[in-house]
Amino acid sequence: DQQVKQNSPSLSVQEGRISILNCDYTNSMFDYFLWYKKYPAEGPTFLISISSIKDKNEDGRFTVFLNKSAKHLSLHIVPSQPGDSAVYFCAATGNVGGSTLGRLYFGRGTQLTVWP
Amino acid sequence: DTAVSQTPKYLVTQMGNDKSIKCEQNLGHDTMYWYKQDSKKFLKIMFSYNNKELIINETVPNRFSPKSPDKAHLNLHINSLELGDSAVYFCASRLQVNEKLFFGSGTQLSVL
Repeated sequence: DQQVKQNSPSLSVQEGRISILNCDYTNSMFDYFLWYKKYPAEGPTFLISISSIKDKNEDGRFTVFLNKSAKHLSLHIVPSQPGDSAVYFCAATGNVGGSTLGRLYFGRGTQLTVWP
Repeated sequence: DTAVSQTPKYLVTQMGNDKSIKCEQNLGHDTMYWYKQDSKKFLKIMFSYNNKELIINETVPNRFSPKSPDKAHLNLHINSLELGDSAVYFCASRLQVNEKLFFGSGTQLSVL
């Protein structure tokens, strides 16, 4: 049972435009969310995170929005660049099942392609 | 210097064999993990060690055994390999809960 869902397996965006990657979660105990970026043959690398006490976090071209009532978060990349082409994983953690071990639950990723 | 390094990067082996994947981190982190990315691309946690102590053990066949000789190393031993074990295995580490995970570059395991 996937507690973090990325329903779009792929997204194609023209260079310079905005990329919006979406993520939904089911567990209301999640209180910390992260986005990871993965290039082929490499491990995921941390991109940006947000705590549930916030609804927005911005870092350069990357902004993450959190809507707790909808259990939804999104990653905005603007402007998109060809080097942003990668798989983006959404992840969540929190006090799940009474455990505070910080286990990360991942979505299955969205392949972003930014074309010139 | 690579922060989290795992070897080998590719591992091709026959069914029934026993193999190991090694992982080392030079970040001074207390907690290390093994994740598996299956054919459907889901990243799922397998094990976690904190200061050499096993703290997370998901429902993984007991053919998989993690070993942590010290807090900088977490190796994964797999006995009697099966076709379904084919996947990419990622090692990761973090300093504290709710801090970001640092991943290794992955080991592509192919069982023939």
